[in-house]
Amino acid sequence: DIQMTQSPSSLAASVGDRVTITCRASDDINKYLNWYQQRRGEAPKLLIDASSRLQSGVPSRFSGGGSGTDFTLTITNLQPEDFATYYCQQSFSVLWTFGHGTKVEIK
Amino acid sequence: QVPLQESGPGLVKPSETLSLTCAVSGDSMTNYYWSWIRQSPGGGLEWIGHVYHTGIVNYEPSLQTRVAISIDTSKNHITLKLTSVTAADTAVYYCARVRGSGRGGSLASWGRGALVTVAS
Repeated sequence: DIQMTQSPSSLAASVGDRVTITCRASDDINKYLNWYQQRRGEAPKLLIDASSRLQSGVPSRFSGGGSGTDFTLTITNLQPEDFATYYCQQSFSVLWTFGHGTKVEIK
Repeated sequence: QVPLQESGPGLVKPSETLSLTCAVSGDSMTNYYWSWIRQSPGGGLEWIGHVYHTGIVNYEPSLQTRVAISIDTSKNHITLKLTSVTAADTAVYYCARVRGSGRGGSLASWGRGALVTVAS
């Protein structure tokens, strides 16, 4: 299996802040990396696929990047609705794996 | 977004078989991969496996001996079966439609999830 390691596991930030979440793969996964947002009590929602492709309807304050083993999700000008848990997920292998998640909390 | 709805028993006894159905409405199942994902209480997301409309499947290795995912395009649904369940299988189970393929795809549309508790 390809292991996905996210950091930090949680962070506290204020509205208007810029936050960056990192995701590291145990093997080279090219750009086959997706990011999901999960608000409390809701199903996950796809934010970004193929490392950096923002999904339709997702605010431009979200951005993703990276290739190979190291990836980032950046949220600029953090908004109240962005406080949630974020997961990375690789699809380079046909056996998919998620990171353990990063909880973004209000400071 | 494709409407997906998971259904099945909310309570399963230890050692028995968990069985869930995901109904797909408003769209053809052909030419898509369909996935099951679960989330234990307070935990993270775990990919269980996916099935292509032809019936080709891939499973998470740690579950492979106990899991079966099938597709019925005539009834527009996907089924998940997990045998010999224990309390560790208590989770919210989600079905999702894959955009793309089993390699390089993403989980673009999700159901609301179904909570399954394993207890006697």
